[in-house]
Amino acid sequence: EAGVVQSPRYKIIEKKQPVAFWCNPISGHNTLYWYLQNLGQGPELLIRYENEEAVDDSQLPKDRFSAERLKGVDSTLKIQPAELGDSAVYLCASSSPFAGGMTDTQYFGPGTRLTVL
Amino acid sequence: AQSVAQPEDQVNVAEGNPLTVKCTYSVSGNPYLFWYVQYPNRGLQFLLKYITGDNLVKGSYGFEAEFNKSQTSFHLKKPSALVSDSALYFCAVRAFNTGFQKLVFGTGTRLLVSP
Repeated sequence: EAGVVQSPRYKIIEKKQPVAFWCNPISGHNTLYWYLQNLGQGPELLIRYENEEAVDDSQLPKDRFSAERLKGVDSTLKIQPAELGDSAVYLCASSSPFAGGMTDTQYFGPGTRLTVL
Repeated sequence: AQSVAQPEDQVNVAEGNPLTVKCTYSVSGNPYLFWYVQYPNRGLQFLLKYITGDNLVKGSYGFEAEFNKSQTSFHLKKPSALVSDSALYFCAVRAFNTGFQKLVFGTGTRLLVSP
């Protein structure tokens, strides 16, 4: 079974430029998460999708960050414009609600390492 | 609010020796607890979780964790460490009876196993 796929793996941009990250979850997983991981820290949730609906985006800085999951499968996270402080690893995860609701395990992709110069 | 503390930034152990990576948590209500491992330039890999039942949970790669409700701890253990276990380990918690709660991670503990 293929895992969570993310691209690109690495991205270097200059500040004020836009950037987008793509995630394809594990097949059949209808819950998708985007996390931000700063250096030396644990991941922090940015947004959670149930199918195509964003059900928890309280941690997403909406002035510059946006996300979409139009068909309830793959998802894109965008930053426009990027700032120096956005340099971090952006992780995508997915889970299946049929595995037990709140007990479901989240499976993570390899992440996209963003460097803003 | 829920939180997780991993008091050690790094744990050093010799190959073949037992290892323990500590985790304490704070939640309102019963906790769901998870351990993940992260290798360099890789995403987090699930190791094990505690939901209910036996306090000793067995997971992948020979790891296990002991849930201690009175001490609010969920320490990760392995009887005999391997050099290949060297990685970054994250403990995470989710509350049980407060509706959906996000998974809250600790800051991570780097495990270094020397040959």
